[in-house]
Amino acid sequence: DTGVSQDPRHKITKRGQNVTFRCDPISEHNRLYWYRQTLGQGPEFLTYFQNEAQLEKSRLLSDRFSAERPKGSFSTLEIQRTEQGDSAMYLCASSPDRVFGNTIYFGEGSWLTVV
Amino acid sequence: GQQVMQIPQYQHVQEGEDFTTYCNSSTTLSNIQWYKQRPGGHPVFLIQLVKSGEVKKQKRLTFQFGEAKKNSSLHITATQTTDVGTYFCAGPSKNSGNTPLVFGKGTRLSVIA
Repeated sequence: DTGVSQDPRHKITKRGQNVTFRCDPISEHNRLYWYRQTLGQGPEFLTYFQNEAQLEKSRLLSDRFSAERPKGSFSTLEIQRTEQGDSAMYLCASSPDRVFGNTIYFGEGSWLTVV
Repeated sequence: GQQVMQIPQYQHVQEGEDFTTYCNSSTTLSNIQWYKQRPGGHPVFLIQLVKSGEVKKQKRLTFQFGEAKKNSSLHITATQTTDVGTYFCAGPSKNSGNTPLVFGKGTRLSVIA
């Protein structure tokens, strides 16, 4: 299967700990996105990359959050000093870089529970 | 910034009944996309609409894009239990069609057999 893969799928961590999520996009896609989703809500945009360049960051992405895509392939999302409000599903998605209409393909998500 | 609103938030229907969800944008959209998320799953792309007044069908699903390109709807005819899930509409965050998508909060569909 060559879909978007995310790891780990589930993470339980204590408040104050750091966590890191990894995303491997569809291989020919040069755009990669991170979204966050809480229960009963739609996906909320966090940040996205075109190749290795981080092009946009949402105001939701506090200074405790950092994302990288060092070689333009896989990406990591790190949350430092986790808080209970960080509990959510973190969705990675990828798309080809078209001029118009970037349909995105989501991974299965990484569930984070902060206790 | 761009906002996308969906109604209703929830819909419970008997199997065989029809279902419609509506999506409204605060600004004109270059395109609108629809996604479905099954319980416990991740959003999966259904369709993209680009032209004013466009109508597209996928079996029992009919998607419409408004003439002003600020609203859209998804209609399911004769719902089945396999239609259960949350349906999201999404549009580009900025006027350019090639910007990250902003999602609505979704309409959660329950189908009672």
